[in-house]
Amino acid sequence: QKEVEQNSGPLSVPEGAIASLNCTYSDRGSQSFFWYRQYSGKSPELIMFIYSNGDKEDGRFTAQLNKASQYVSLLIRDSQPSDSATYLCAVRPYSSASKIIFGSGTRLSIRP
Amino acid sequence: DADVTQTPRNRITKTGKRIMLECSQTKGHDRMYWYRQDPGLGLRLIYYSFDVKDINKGEISDGYSVSRQAQAKFSLSLESAIPNQTALYFCATSDFTPGQGYNEQFFGPGTRLTVL
Repeated sequence: QKEVEQNSGPLSVPEGAIASLNCTYSDRGSQSFFWYRQYSGKSPELIMFIYSNGDKEDGRFTAQLNKASQYVSLLIRDSQPSDSATYLCAVRPYSSASKIIFGSGTRLSIRP
Repeated sequence: DADVTQTPRNRITKTGKRIMLECSQTKGHDRMYWYRQDPGLGLRLIYYSFDVKDINKGEISDGYSVSRQAQAKFSLSLESAIPNQTALYFCATSDFTPGQGYNEQFFGPGTRLTVL
């Protein structure tokens, strides 16, 4: 089992709709969770982090964490073509608090 | 100027050659990392360093070595390059605050390496 798993996609969402990206992790003691966005040919950039159960909202983005079920999700409301990118989920596992483990990413495509 | 820079940005080399990828940062961060990215495999950690005297192996360190020349500089070397080391390589930096639940990693622009 991979430590951090994501559906590779591509996930196609119409413009203006809600995009929902999901991620599961294996280390139950993990404490911190991150969503990075990576445009094609560019470097990843942090868009959200969360470390408490529940929802965290920042503009059009909402991160959701459920530690009991070991999943974290990212919702993007009012999707725009500029949201088309690969979204990387990353987790700081309890077993190795000094680094973060990345998932393989979900490619999101927003169609006009 | 970019906070995290990588040189070269693109490199084509031949099997068996020694190659060095360099990373410099002006963010004043103590922690630096080297990742490689392959299609479908995401980012995988090669080496990381928490200060000039601290070097740690990541999950895929075989075939690579690193040098932390200064707080701001962290180099990755491939002693004898092989084709399956063809990938996109990223350097990243982060700060550390005791008791803080997260530390964002800031990535350089990447080096695209092709080994023929």
